[in-house]
This record gives sequence, C-alpha cells and structure tokens, in this order.
Amino acid sequence: SQQGEEDPQALSIQEGENATMNCSYKTSINNLQWYRQNSGRGLVHLILIRSNEREKHSGRLRVTLDTSKKSSSLLITASRAADTASYFCATGSGGYNKLIFGAGTRLAVHP
Amino acid sequence: GAVVSQHPSWVICKSGTSVKIECRSLDFQATTMFWYRQFPKQSLMLMATSNEGSKATYEQGVEKDKFLINHASLTLSTLTVTSAHPEDSSFYICSAMKDYEQYFGPGTRLTVT
Repeated sequence: SQQGEEDPQALSIQEGENATMNCSYKTSINNLQWYRQNSGRGLVHLILIRSNEREKHSGRLRVTLDTSKKSSSLLITASRAADTASYFCATGSGGYNKLIFGAGTRLAVHP
Repeated sequence: GAVVSQHPSWVICKSGTSVKIECRSLDFQATTMFWYRQFPKQSLMLMATSNEGSKATYEQGVEKDKFLINHASLTLSTLTVTSAHPEDSSFYICSAMKDYEQYFGPGTRLTVT
C-alpha cells in the first residue's frame, strides 16, 4: 500500500528556477527519503532525513521534515534540464525500515 | 560501496510461462532484500520482504503462489513470476539492505505477450 502522497503530480519549470515538491504521509516513521528516477530506469537515492531532523541540505537539494504535520518537502534550487525526472518520497518504518513510496512528482525542466 | 545488480535487465515471455529474476548484492551481504513492482507512470509498490533462510513476507494483495521468492544466500534473492499473464508486465525492482539502508538494483522490465 502507498503511504505517501505527493504534490504536485507534475511540475514544469524553466532552467534556473527552483522546484518544490511536497510529500505527506500517514503513520510514524523512522526516516523519509527522496529518490529520483529517470524514465524507465532505476532509482537514484538523493537524500535521507531522520525523524528527529528538521532540515537537511545536499548540494542544490534542501529537504525539510515536519513530523507534526507528517509532511516533507524537497527543494531543488537553480534547476537544470538534467534534473528532468520523476521524484519520489519514501517513508521508512518498522524494524526493517520498510519503504513505502509516494505517488511521485514528474518534473520537467525546460532549457 | 553497495552495488546491487539484477538479471535480466529485460525479458519477454509468452503467457503461461514462468520467469525468474535475480537480485544480487555484489559487494556486501544482505540478510534482507525487498521486491517492488512499478507499472508505467506509477510509483513503486512493495511486493514482499525477503529474508535469507526464511519465508518471504508478502504485502497485502500480492499472491505468494504466483510470485515465488527465494533468498537462498546472503547475496542472492530470486523472484519467479509463475504462469505469467500480460497484466504481470511491469518493471520489477529489488533492493538489498545494508546498515539499515536500502540499495536498489537497476530493475527488470518484464513483458508478457
């Protein structure tokens, strides 16, 4: 079953603009992770934020986590055409840190 | 490193036949592996959790007799789609757990004709 819901479902921006994607979930989590997937390819792990963290940065990526609202956001700054992909959040929970993926956001960055 | 491979990367089979997909952790041992399915333009759906030396745990709605999982060693888990039908056509992705994190394979695209 899917726990996370993401919005927007699709996002189209120009190169250089920032892209923000949001993720909501329903149950308690160990951590929340963001992945990128190019069309028909495997997943690329972007960033992991633990349940006791509120914000994390990695290069042009900024992730926030609000456990009281059960939501997270991924900000990609100064986007590039190469950032065009689908982005998924995934919540990790339980002893195995089982991942449940959100529906994803399809990002298109136009040159 | 933590590299996970899948074989084959793509496969076409006829309806009614069985197909086996392998998931290997190349540079680490994984007691736990996971199998996901992804339909076009949709998200990944967890199918089952595979533990070395024991029976897999299937998610609700996943037929364990249709999707046979064998985790016979610490570096290999296999998923066999039995009596495949066109609706089983999908992208199957595995992951292996290391230090509480999952490392994903590149996926296997299955087409059932």
